[in-house]
Amino acid sequence: DTAVSQTPKYLVTQMGNDKSIKCEQNLGHDTMYWYKQDSKKFLKIMFSYNNKELIINETVPNRFSPKSPDKAHLNLHINSLELGDSAVYFCASSPFSWTVSGNTIYFGEGSWLTVV
Amino acid sequence: QKEVEQNSGPLSVPEGAIASLNCTYSDRGSQSFFWYRQYSGKSPELIMSIYSNGDKEDGRFTAQLNKASQYVSLLIRDSQPSDSATYLCAVIAGYQKVTFGTGTKLQVIP
Repeated sequence: DTAVSQTPKYLVTQMGNDKSIKCEQNLGHDTMYWYKQDSKKFLKIMFSYNNKELIINETVPNRFSPKSPDKAHLNLHINSLELGDSAVYFCASSPFSWTVSGNTIYFGEGSWLTVV
Repeated sequence: QKEVEQNSGPLSVPEGAIASLNCTYSDRGSQSFFWYRQYSGKSPELIMSIYSNGDKEDGRFTAQLNKASQYVSLLIRDSQPSDSATYLCAVIAGYQKVTFGTGTKLQVIP
């Protein structure tokens, strides 16, 4: 079973459309994340949720809205898509205290979003 | 100044040589440091984590941390073509916030 799964893997859409990316983890982790990786491979955090509560919200346009119905799911909805939104979006999860306990952050396989 | 800096490369080394990857960070309060490997078209995967000054070895990989110099490195001994990938340095500087560098592309030449 895939530990962190996200769908769809590929998404091509037109400017102005609204789209969603879904993410689910079966690791029992408390914390989930959305990262954006641009064409230069820069991986930047967008949001982090701990047990359904938002704990990190970086400077992201409010066209991006995360939703966590439960601690195993973190979805990303994007309104009014723009060309600059084209990137790979990675969902990830980790135990809450992973930085101290020596655990790691587990990434999903990524969702390739192309806005045309 | 970027929070976590890496040379983008590509760094080319012959097969069997030692590859040395470097990373500097700006926040002196950073406590945890990680190296991830990312193959093209794939997600990042953890290679090494290091929390205290000095060296940490795991197989062919050695992570080195110098907090005074705000510097962390990854050495790959006996480099193999399968090591060709982008290596991302990651730093924990605040509450649950992981900051990644831009990555160094490594090419191991057979």
